[in-house]
Amino acid sequence: AQSVSQHNHHVILSEAASLELGCNYSYGGTVNLFWYVQYPGQHLQLLLKYFSGDPLVKGIKGFEAEFIKSKFSFNLRKPSVQWSDTAEYFCAVMGAGKLIFGQGTTLQVKP
Amino acid sequence: DARVTQTPRHKVTEMGQEVTMRCQPILGHNTVFWYRQTMMQGLELLAYFRNRAPLDDSGMPKDRFSAEMPDATLATLKIQPSEPRDSAVYFCASGSGGSSTEAFFGQGTRLTVV
Repeated sequence: AQSVSQHNHHVILSEAASLELGCNYSYGGTVNLFWYVQYPGQHLQLLLKYFSGDPLVKGIKGFEAEFIKSKFSFNLRKPSVQWSDTAEYFCAVMGAGKLIFGQGTTLQVKP
Repeated sequence: DARVTQTPRHKVTEMGQEVTMRCQPILGHNTVFWYRQTMMQGLELLAYFRNRAPLDDSGMPKDRFSAEMPDATLATLKIQPSEPRDSAVYFCASGSGGSSTEAFFGQGTRLTVV
């Protein structure tokens, strides 16, 4: 069975700071990896995804993530955060069609 | 604009009552997921279906929860009887299946059991 672990539960940054959110997964087979964002009171929206190919994937709103197979990691990054990035971020792994989410990281960006 | 539709958006019910939540997946999607979101547990996968067949419902309390897909355009999640600890936001998501697919989420049903 697969599992997902997000290291940071709550992150507070000032605007323009750089962001990196950690995500590690456990699964013995081929995986698809995702980062979703949930703005306050809203549903989950896809930020980016990795299926195969270039391990550095770029998503919407300036986010990117790097798949490091040897470390079972898929960390999310953004060079310069904005106040509007305040939200909850979820890492997810799909193995054999089953989609499992991490516990989520709440990001608070101070203006 | 294709989207997953969930009804109702909000539900307040008394303990012991039956609750039914509905989900209309995106047309053409053959995979449906049900999740429960709480502050304590985060996003828990309750069940998922492919081509209307349940593939995994191990995350669902079997004694009171049931999930079905009467047809390709409707998925239901029922709780009978409901309990205060069932209070949560329930999300449905759909996907097109296959090895390279993402899940599209509905707006969720916020359930409060008093």
